[in-house]
Amino acid sequence: DGGITQSPKYLFRKEGQNVTLSCEQNLNHDAMYWYRQDPGQGLRLIYYSQIVNDFQKGDIAEGYSVSREKKESFPLTVTSAQKNPTAFYLCASTGRDNQPQHFGDGTRLSIL
Amino acid sequence: GQQLNQSPQSMFIQEGEDVSMNCTSSSIFNTWLWYKQDPGEGPVLLIALYKAGELTSNGRLTAQFGITRKDSFLNISASIPSDVGIYFCSGNSGGSNYKLTFGKGTLLTVNP
Repeated sequence: DGGITQSPKYLFRKEGQNVTLSCEQNLNHDAMYWYRQDPGQGLRLIYYSQIVNDFQKGDIAEGYSVSREKKESFPLTVTSAQKNPTAFYLCASTGRDNQPQHFGDGTRLSIL
Repeated sequence: GQQLNQSPQSMFIQEGEDVSMNCTSSSIFNTWLWYKQDPGEGPVLLIALYKAGELTSNGRLTAQFGITRKDSFLNISASIPSDVGIYFCSGNSGGSNYKLTFGKGTLLTVNP
């Protein structure tokens, strides 16, 4: 089945540690996105990429980094500089021509 | 940046009742999207609207793109327990879905 796969489902981070969240899509979509969701909040954009080897900061990029070496993959690294990383992280993708974004099932990151 | 005001923040209804929620924007949007999120999962697209005044249905769900292009509503008729979840509105003002702005969501609880 075509879709977006995020892994792991749950992730724990120790103080001072970087962790990487995986996002893979087999929808042949050009654009991919990372959002952060906190309770009672909407989805806030961290980073997005419209094409391979290119990405732009979203509204809350500080403390995060991404790469887009392959069309199918858009991993997100939560660095030690992100002081409040506990949240639900969602990856999304879309093709061209004004298509809606499709979401993965998310990764819940917690602090040990 | 762009802001979306989504209301109500939460709703508690009895099974069988109709539900209405809406979003207003501080700027003109070219696309309105309505998503539903179940606990621990990613949002799923319900309805996409692309034209001012457009009224679109998906089963018991109906959504409209306001003629001012600054608002949209979602109605759910004859609610059932599986309608429980968080409903998000989102929109794009740039003619493509490369960046979306999201409302903070409406939490719907349906009492059997």
